[in-house]
Amino acid sequence: DSGVTQTPKHLITATGQRVTLRCSPRSGDLSVYWYQQSLDQGLQFLIHYYNGEERAKGNILERFSAQQFPDLHSELNLSSLELGDSALYFCASSLLGQGSPGELFFGEGSRLTVL
Amino acid sequence: GNSVTQMEGPVTLSEEAFLTINCTYTATGYPSLFWYVQYPGEGLQLLLKATKADDKGSNKGFEATYRKETTSFHLEKGSVQVSDSAVYFCALTRSGSARQLTFGSGTQLTVLP
Repeated sequence: DSGVTQTPKHLITATGQRVTLRCSPRSGDLSVYWYQQSLDQGLQFLIHYYNGEERAKGNILERFSAQQFPDLHSELNLSSLELGDSALYFCASSLLGQGSPGELFFGEGSRLTVL
Repeated sequence: GNSVTQMEGPVTLSEEAFLTINCTYTATGYPSLFWYVQYPGEGLQLLLKATKADDKGSNKGFEATYRKETTSFHLEKGSVQVSDSAVYFCALTRSGSARQLTFGSGTQLTVLP
């Protein structure tokens, strides 16, 4: 158990809809990262938040947005969903500024299926 | 930009066989290198890491050496077990980054008894 909690584990929805994925980082971790894992694109970095502030953006679509709340949990919002958005979405956390670089702790992921 | 290239899978081995999964990278500066493992139905876990040239990372019988001259970080294990069946990802963070990982495409390993 990594200590990172993601909900929901599975989600099935229709094209055009909007969903919210939630992530609770490990206790004490200030950084949250979102990754998308799909068969054709592999693991793609989406966005990084540190202590409530956006730190970096990767290959995140404009239809997607995220935020990190004062209690450090994070939400990834996906809107106007398309079939190609079907993927496994991972959240990871780390304590930025301490420990070894790149040592992220991943949740089990939220599997999104868009029909 | 930064990129990681892994050998294509899937890889199927018999128990106690020798394992090598090749990984090469392209990066500016001096990246840190990692191997992550994903067991079925689970998130990724850090397997081992190396933060500078010639460092060897090791864990659970796996090892990999950071080779700057060949820009490689190949994963090896002398004797695999059925429980090693998983997807293995090579990854890097560039120096000075906020720990964003760039991943390779992953290599599926199946070990047969």
